[in-house]
Amino acid sequence: GIQVEQSPPDLILQEGANSTLRCNFSDSVNNLQWFHQNPWGQLINLFYIPSGTKQNGRLSATTVATERYSLLYISSSQTTDSGVYFCAAGDLNYGGSQGNLIFGKGTKLSVKP
Amino acid sequence: EAGVAQSPRYKIIEKRQSVAFWCNPISGHATLYWYQQILGQGPKLLIQFQNNGVVDDSQLPKDRFSAERLKGVDSTLKIQPAKLEDSAVYLCASSSRWPADTQYFGPGTRLTVL
Repeated sequence: GIQVEQSPPDLILQEGANSTLRCNFSDSVNNLQWFHQNPWGQLINLFYIPSGTKQNGRLSATTVATERYSLLYISSSQTTDSGVYFCAAGDLNYGGSQGNLIFGKGTKLSVKP
Repeated sequence: EAGVAQSPRYKIIEKRQSVAFWCNPISGHATLYWYQQILGQGPKLLIQFQNNGVVDDSQLPKDRFSAERLKGVDSTLKIQPAKLEDSAVYLCASSSRWPADTQYFGPGTRLTVL
């Protein structure tokens, strides 16, 4: 099945700094999503982005499906951005499992005031 | 619009006991997912439903786990008997369309098996 790798595993930023998180996936996907898990455990969907670029406030994401990677950009980081960022990809090639999302191990972000 | 609801939020049981979790998806969402998240890892899909039919349960340990989605709305996930390694957060998610659409997650149920 599909493999999802995220980097870096840990990231510490000063408030106001910018960052880029990377997600590599091993096979074709029809489903690529980014999530933020806050310190209380709630998973929030940030982007549904199987290809192209999207922006939402200080966050933006780009997926280059042909090269099998996606990037999440965080600008002017705030302490509330702390938590774990997960990339999850759906495998195009598995018939009954097309709805499955395979999650990476996440990037743990800590934003210091 | 109300989000995905789950209950209970926390559960502590002893090994070999049984436990059940409940999920109510976002209104109108046909697809429902149950995930298991072990501490320090990403969520792992256990089962997905399209309306009240199972689309994929290949990752569900069927000797002890079962799930149902009656009338295509609410769903329950049961573990019987529980093992120590079942300690995890159980997350329910829903999406409007299958197979590829934004998934919305509930707050999860944190299970501790002693």
